[in-house]
Amino acid sequence: DAGVIQSPRHEVTEMGQEVTLRCKPISGHNSLFWYRQTMMRGLELLIYFNNNVPIDDSGMPEDRFSAKMPNASFSTLKIQPSEPRDSAVYFCASSFWQPNIQYFGAGTRLSVL
Amino acid sequence: TQLLEQSPQFLSIQEGENLTVYCNSSSVFSSLQWYRQEPGEGPVLLVTVVTGGEVKKLKRLTFQFGDARKDSSLHITAAQPGDTGLYLCAGKGQTGANNLFFGTGTRLTVIP
Repeated sequence: DAGVIQSPRHEVTEMGQEVTLRCKPISGHNSLFWYRQTMMRGLELLIYFNNNVPIDDSGMPEDRFSAKMPNASFSTLKIQPSEPRDSAVYFCASSFWQPNIQYFGAGTRLSVL
Repeated sequence: TQLLEQSPQFLSIQEGENLTVYCNSSSVFSSLQWYRQEPGEGPVLLVTVVTGGEVKKLKRLTFQFGDARKDSSLHITAAQPGDTGLYLCAGKGQTGANNLFFGTGTRLTVIP
């Protein structure tokens, strides 16, 4: 299996632009997680899905952030409009519901200028 | 939010030395995992501990889950440069929710 695939690996954009991050989970996994990692705040859970349904989005910073999972093999995290403080590495992870062993993608490094 | 504090935050040691990383919380977890993250990559699972007082060994790494299931430790014997990375503990709550609460991380550098 190719593992969790995220794209793009790097994204540089200007403040105010829309950013879309993409994730393909491991085939067969039924849970998907979006995280944000910064030096200051560490690894933060933004939202997670089970069977394509959002279960907990309490970690989403504000209305500028939205996530979708239209099917079992694809998810997006969108930031609109982006701000410099959104600069971070965004990770997607997938797992079976039980046991919850999460497999992470390589991340998307986002820089908002 | 169930906070997991890790200590130390940074650790730089010589090859061959031993070290211990701690993961502490005031919350009880049904299980606890340890991950290692290398630069430019996502975290990779090292071990899961489930039972209070459980000890697991993975070659030179020894993991312990506290009796009360609120804390954990990772001990590395004879550290090697390949052990360099960010070590993260992650706890699973006792509810039916499936999310993990990640610790603040310990960044380890092993100097050859």
